[in-house]
Amino acid sequence: GESVGLHLPTLSVQEGDNSIINCAYSNSASDYFIWYKQESGKGPQFIIDIRSNMDKRQGQRVTVLLNKTVKHLSLQIAATQPGDSAVYFCAENGAGGFKTIFGAGTRLFVKA
Amino acid sequence: DVKVTQSSRYLVKRTGEKVFLECVQDMDHENMFWYRQDPGLGLRLIYFSYDVKMKEKGDIPEGYSVSREKKERFSLILESASTNQTSMYLCASNPSETGELFFGEGSRLTVL
Repeated sequence: GESVGLHLPTLSVQEGDNSIINCAYSNSASDYFIWYKQESGKGPQFIIDIRSNMDKRQGQRVTVLLNKTVKHLSLQIAATQPGDSAVYFCAENGAGGFKTIFGAGTRLFVKA
Repeated sequence: DVKVTQSSRYLVKRTGEKVFLECVQDMDHENMFWYRQDPGLGLRLIYFSYDVKMKEKGDIPEGYSVSREKKERFSLILESASTNQTSMYLCASNPSETGELFFGEGSRLTVL
């Protein structure tokens, strides 16, 4: 079946370094991709999104890259801070449906 | 600020009990969703609703039902709770068919 997956379940980075979280998706019909951040005890929160007609989108300290050729999505966090410690989910949506498909999540640890 | 409120953060129920999880959003969103979150499995869609009194099955609807009598309120019902329904339940809403989801804080249910 269609799925969205993550390459690494955990990622540990030093404070101040850049973080890269990767995601593979398998539904070539998906046209909208979102990254969510979930802090402990909270619901997921939107970070950044990208549509399939783009290959890069930048926000504040975050960048999402989309490679449709290999069905790969990544989230880059610049100058990672302790407050970035959380679980990050990639998600895909589209193909005319209401369903958003989530990956399993990557836990980011930021070492001080 | 947009807000999705889940009435119960923590519940402990016994096998066979009927369980109601309530969710209210104050954003006048058309769409509301119930997800279940389990470690390593990401978020899985149980049911969603795109209008009052309308409901659609998600990926794992078995053992659950929903009710949407008012636009702002979406309830998840476990008719007869079982131990394998122990999980974190997340309610979300959004105003359009694709687009970011706004999540509540989650309801952690333990079925003994």
